[in-house]
Amino acid sequence: GAVVSQHPSRVICKSGTSVKIECRSLDFQATTMFWYRQFPKQSLMLMATSNEGSKATYEQGVEKDKFLINHASLTLSTLTVTSAHPEDSSFYICSAHGQRSTDTQYFGPGTRLTVL
Amino acid sequence: AQSVTQPDIHITVSEGASLELRCNYSYGATPYLFWYVQSPGQGLQLLLKYFSGDTLVQGIKGFEAEFKRSQSSFNLRKPSVHWSDAAEYFCAVGPPNAGKSTFGDGTTLTVKP
Repeated sequence: GAVVSQHPSRVICKSGTSVKIECRSLDFQATTMFWYRQFPKQSLMLMATSNEGSKATYEQGVEKDKFLINHASLTLSTLTVTSAHPEDSSFYICSAHGQRSTDTQYFGPGTRLTVL
Repeated sequence: AQSVTQPDIHITVSEGASLELRCNYSYGATPYLFWYVQSPGQGLQLLLKYFSGDTLVQGIKGFEAEFKRSQSSFNLRKPSVHWSDAAEYFCAVGPPNAGKSTFGDGTTLTVKP
């Protein structure tokens, strides 16, 4: 089956620093990846759609300069939280769908970000 | 606009009992419907999906869901719950590009021994 990994699984950083989260499709090529944010006991909120080789599409209300997304290859997308603040602490989840099938998402295990 | 409502925030069932998790949706066309399960600190795992055809859909781990267009519902069922089913369950509706799915707020399932 399709497997998506995320790294790191947990990260703690100081306020003002930047953090990069990687999302990889391990056994398939992902033309499109998605980044979600999930607050405790809440649902997933789509932040942006990442397309290989082009700029990401951000959802309304998501700061592009705050959450930098790069999708440089068909198997890797990165989310960089720049100048992180405590309110950026959250669970970040990526997902991907393949080139041949866009009707199913495969989710990564998530990254827990804590900003002190 | 598409939306999903999961009326039950928290459900507790005894191990071995049957389970039904409710999901109501609003969507302008034929919906693509999904059920996902999330264990604590983990990503989402797809249980089952409905796009067309038979309205009773079988999924993994013994789950099934029934699409009822007249009621705009897609309820998840399992005849006999196991302790390992305790988790958060999310219903989602979306277009063929599944990344644009809208998720419900989730239902937390607790299983009593």
